[in-house]
Amino acid sequence: AQSVTQLDSQVPVFEEAPVELRCNYSSSVSVYLFWYVQYPNQGLQLLLKYLSGSTLVKGINGFEAEFNKSQTSFHLRKPSVHISDTAEYFCAVSDLARGTYKYIFGTGTRLKVLA
Amino acid sequence: DTGVSQDPRHKITKRGQNVTFRCDPISEHNRLYWYRQTLGQGPEFLTYFQNEAQLEKSRLLSDRFSAERPKGSFSTLEIQRTEQGDSAMYLCASSSTGDEQYFGPGTRLTVT
Repeated sequence: AQSVTQLDSQVPVFEEAPVELRCNYSSSVSVYLFWYVQYPNQGLQLLLKYLSGSTLVKGINGFEAEFNKSQTSFHLRKPSVHISDTAEYFCAVSDLARGTYKYIFGTGTRLKVLA
Repeated sequence: DTGVSQDPRHKITKRGQNVTFRCDPISEHNRLYWYRQTLGQGPEFLTYFQNEAQLEKSRLLSDRFSAERPKGSFSTLEIQRTEQGDSAMYLCASSSTGDEQYFGPGTRLTVT
């Protein structure tokens, strides 16, 4: 079964520093990949998605991610973070083979931006 | 397009009571999903509807849980005889093409 691993449960980083949040998934069969952000007591907001094509995906708020099929990874990066980026970030995989396109989520990474 | 809405946003109930949550998807989205998120975890898939048909249910969805989507529009998730372990955020999402899901704000359930 498909699984998603977010190795870092918490990432503290100073404001204006770069950050990388790591995501690995278990299967290299056809998948869609997503990063979502969740602010306290709110739902999930899509940051970016990889469906096909260019392996470098740009999203909202200056975030980008790179799809690496050989390493089954989809790491999220931002060159300069702001205090407002403090939130929980979830990586998700949609297994195309199943037809339902349901998401399998990682356990999340809490990004804390320090002043 | 007003987004996905969920009602109520918060629900506190006593163990053993029944609760029902409602999700209104984005209009014309034929795919609807329910997820459950417990503290410190990522959301976990519960069930999936395509139009009014419930096509997949997770093993997490015990027989105390039932979901419906009459007429392929809004959906309800009912939990009977609630237990403290049911305390979680229940998220609804909808999609038209399957390549992106739009999430509602969630219903936070607390079972005392």
